[in-house]
Amino acid sequence: QKEVEQNSGPLSVPEGAIASLNCTYSDRGSQSFFWYRQYSGKSPELIMSIYSNGDKEDGRFTAQLNKASQYVSLLIRDSQPSDSATYLCAARSGGYQKVTFGTGTKLQVIP
Amino acid sequence: DTGVSQDPRHKITKRGQNVTFRCDPISEHNRLYWYRQTLGQGPEFLTYFQNEAQLEKSRLLSDRFSAERPKGSFSTLEIQRTEQGDSAMYLCASSPSGGVNQPQHFGDGTRLSIL
Repeated sequence: QKEVEQNSGPLSVPEGAIASLNCTYSDRGSQSFFWYRQYSGKSPELIMSIYSNGDKEDGRFTAQLNKASQYVSLLIRDSQPSDSATYLCAARSGGYQKVTFGTGTKLQVIP
Repeated sequence: DTGVSQDPRHKITKRGQNVTFRCDPISEHNRLYWYRQTLGQGPEFLTYFQNEAQLEKSRLLSDRFSAERPKGSFSTLEIQRTEQGDSAMYLCASSPSGGVNQPQHFGDGTRLSIL
């Protein structure tokens, strides 16, 4: 069983729509959660981090965390073609620096 | 802030050769990480340094792999007797100290191809 699971996609949304990306994790000791964006052939770029239950908003991005359900999500409002990329969910367990990544969800924003 | 720098960007070598990669973290970051990423997968943790001390090491890091950070600044990752399965993107990341909530910032990676 993978420790961090994501649907590989692709998830296709029209330009201007809301894209919803989901992630579940198996380690209940996970304390920190991160969303990275990765364009093809490039390195991961940090978008959002979240540590507490609830929502965290940053511009067009909203991260949501539900520790009871072991669920993390990322909403992208007003999706743009430039948002087309693979989105990686990552979790870090308490007491460790190791970050465990999911396999990523490929997002396609259709103009 | 010049970001995390990795060198070389690409490395092509024959099976059985040794290779070494270098990572220069963001200057004020004392935590440094190495990951490996293959096509269609997320990055896999290899090892972690706090200053010059190697504090975490994945079981993925076989005896052929060794990492150092001798002065707590740049780090090197060496792979001895390379195998076909070592072909991957090797990513370095760094973060400041201050609890487990500090996010990691990645360099552009070194792409290794084994012929």
